[in-house]
Amino acid sequence: AQSVTQLDSHVSVSEGTPVLLRCNYSSSYSPSLFWYVQHPNKGLQLLLKYTSAATLVKGINGFEAEFKKSETSFHLTKPSAHMSDAAEYFCVVSFQNTPLVFGKGTRLSVIA
Amino acid sequence: NAGVTQTPKFRILKIGQSMTLQCAQDMNHNYMYWYRQDPGMGLKLIYYSVGAGITDKGEVPNGYNVSRSTTEDFPLRLELAAPSQTSVYFCASRNPDSFVDTQYFGPGTRLTVL
Repeated sequence: AQSVTQLDSHVSVSEGTPVLLRCNYSSSYSPSLFWYVQHPNKGLQLLLKYTSAATLVKGINGFEAEFKKSETSFHLTKPSAHMSDAAEYFCVVSFQNTPLVFGKGTRLSVIA
Repeated sequence: NAGVTQTPKFRILKIGQSMTLQCAQDMNHNYMYWYRQDPGMGLKLIYYSVGAGITDKGEVPNGYNVSRSTTEDFPLRLELAAPSQTSVYFCASRNPDSFVDTQYFGPGTRLTVL
């Protein structure tokens, strides 16, 4: 069975400082991994995805994530946080055509 | 393209009432999904469909029904609403044959059962 664990339920950073949102996954096979963002009272938007191509994946709004098979991790990073980055972030795993499995989410707060 | 649309945006139901949450997509995606999101939790899959006439249960199907008569529409039915069904419901669609293989989400329906 596949599962995903987001290690922090809440992360708070100052504007202009780096962001790190941690995600570990469990999958019997080579998974597809995604990060989605959800702004308050909005739907989910895809930030980036990994599907067995390059291990360093670049997404929208300056975010990127690195797939590390040895650590079963897919952490999301951004060099410099912006106020507009404050949102809920979900790490998601899937294998082939199976439904997506969501983590519980990490709420990112950005302090001015 | 409108993408994935959901109606209504908000609804309040009394216990025991029934309703249908509508979902439509205009991207010709075969795969469609219904999720619910409870506070502090990720999304949990209720039902999904891999094409017209084909549906299957997800992680939390009890209390819900779905149908898929066309590629475009995937309505979710609540027959006897219960307070435990208070949640935000998201519909999504996906084309697994696409290289991008991205799941697109609707804006959500916020349902309260009192």
